[in-house]
Amino acid sequence: EAQVTQNPRYLITVTGKKLTVTCSQNMNHEYMSWYRQDPGLGLRQIYYSMNVEVTDKGDVPEGYKVSRKEKRNFPLILESPSPNQTSLYFCASSAQTGGGSQYFGPGTRLTVL
Amino acid sequence: GIQVEQSPPDLILQEGANSTLRCNFSDSVNNLQWFHQNPWGQLINLFYIPSGTKQNGRLSATTVATERYSLLYISSSQTTDSGVYFCAVNYGGSQGNLIFGKGTKLSVKP
Repeated sequence: EAQVTQNPRYLITVTGKKLTVTCSQNMNHEYMSWYRQDPGLGLRQIYYSMNVEVTDKGDVPEGYKVSRKEKRNFPLILESPSPNQTSLYFCASSAQTGGGSQYFGPGTRLTVL
Repeated sequence: GIQVEQSPPDLILQEGANSTLRCNFSDSVNNLQWFHQNPWGQLINLFYIPSGTKQNGRLSATTVATERYSLLYISSSQTTDSGVYFCAVNYGGSQGNLIFGKGTKLSVKP
């Protein structure tokens, strides 16, 4: 089954404790992206990757890191989480950069205390 | 940067009614997509439509790129159509950057 998986689905952590949210897709897609969703602000892009070892900033990259060492995985790293990073995070992938159907993961709800 | 505005912000329909959702954007775009987020939070891509018209069952979309807007039509609405509808655009030289509108929340009552 074609899918994008994210782990964990729910996470409560404390300020400053490094964490990683994993994202994996099994469709051999070149393009992957991370978004955060906040009430009243909608969906905003954090980082995206056009291919292995190619990543670029979206609209809200501050406080986040990503890596794309292999095509299927695109982890999101919060080196020192802060409460303003409490949000719902989505990973997505697509066969075509900038277009085509994006497949979304189920979301990760992160709370930073 | 580009502004993406969706209207109406909220819409309540009776089952069986038709509706039109609008997405305006302030600059030329490379592409435009429509998404549906169901009440459980799942995001589904509906259309990739930089220009022209596409149809998929009861849903259709039209983008008039020269006039900087796109419309999503929902006919014979069903309760399962409830959720939030987002449009998102890519513009400029960066093909990977997507800008989302704030969405239209649709509630379909039985």
